[in-house]
Amino acid sequence: EIVLTQSPATLSLSPGERATLSCRASQSVGTYLTWYQQRPGQAPRLLISDASNRATGIPVRFNGSGSGTDFTLTISDVEPEDFAVYFCQQRSNRPPWTFGQGTKVEV
Amino acid sequence: DVQLVESGGVLVQPGGALTLSCAASGFLFSSYWMHWVRQAPGKGLVWVSRIHPYGNSTTYADSVKGRFTISRDNAKDTVYLQMNSLRAEDSGIYYCARSSGDLDYWGQGTLVTVSS
Repeated sequence: EIVLTQSPATLSLSPGERATLSCRASQSVGTYLTWYQQRPGQAPRLLISDASNRATGIPVRFNGSGSGTDFTLTISDVEPEDFAVYFCQQRSNRPPWTFGQGTKVEV
Repeated sequence: DVQLVESGGVLVQPGGALTLSCAASGFLFSSYWMHWVRQAPGKGLVWVSRIHPYGNSTTYADSVKGRFTISRDNAKDTVYLQMNSLRAEDSGIYYCARSSGDLDYWGQGTLVTVSS
């Protein structure tokens, strides 16, 4: 099973600052890496697919990068609605699909 | 609009059984893989199971293999998760999600609590 490790666990920022979130895989997942956002009391929402492709309707301030084992989600100019938990997930090869433990972006 | 609505979550005793349902609308249900994902309160996401658009292929997490069964009824646009021999660690919100590669639409979830 591929293990995804996210860092930091919590990121404290002010609106307008830049957020940099990391996701590291225990073995290569190519670019089969996805990012989701989960706001309190809500279901997860797809943000970034295939490491760097923004999903429909996702603002351009969200950017994903990386390949292999190291991936980054960057949020430039954090908006109030961006304070949430972010999960990475891999769908490389065969199941089980696995998720990282999440990074909470807080004020 | 794509909608996924889960139902069936309740309080159940350890060793008990339960079936969750997820009703889909707004898209051609029979063309998509469907998944179940669990989230314990305040915790992360755990992938549980998936089913092929035609229902002829299923996959499970090791933790539920042999106890859970995923199925679908394309005539009713509904996917199910039959859960047997439930354990405390099966507790959490169960989300169904549509897959177009990634999990692009999620329902709001249904809460399962396994406790005596």
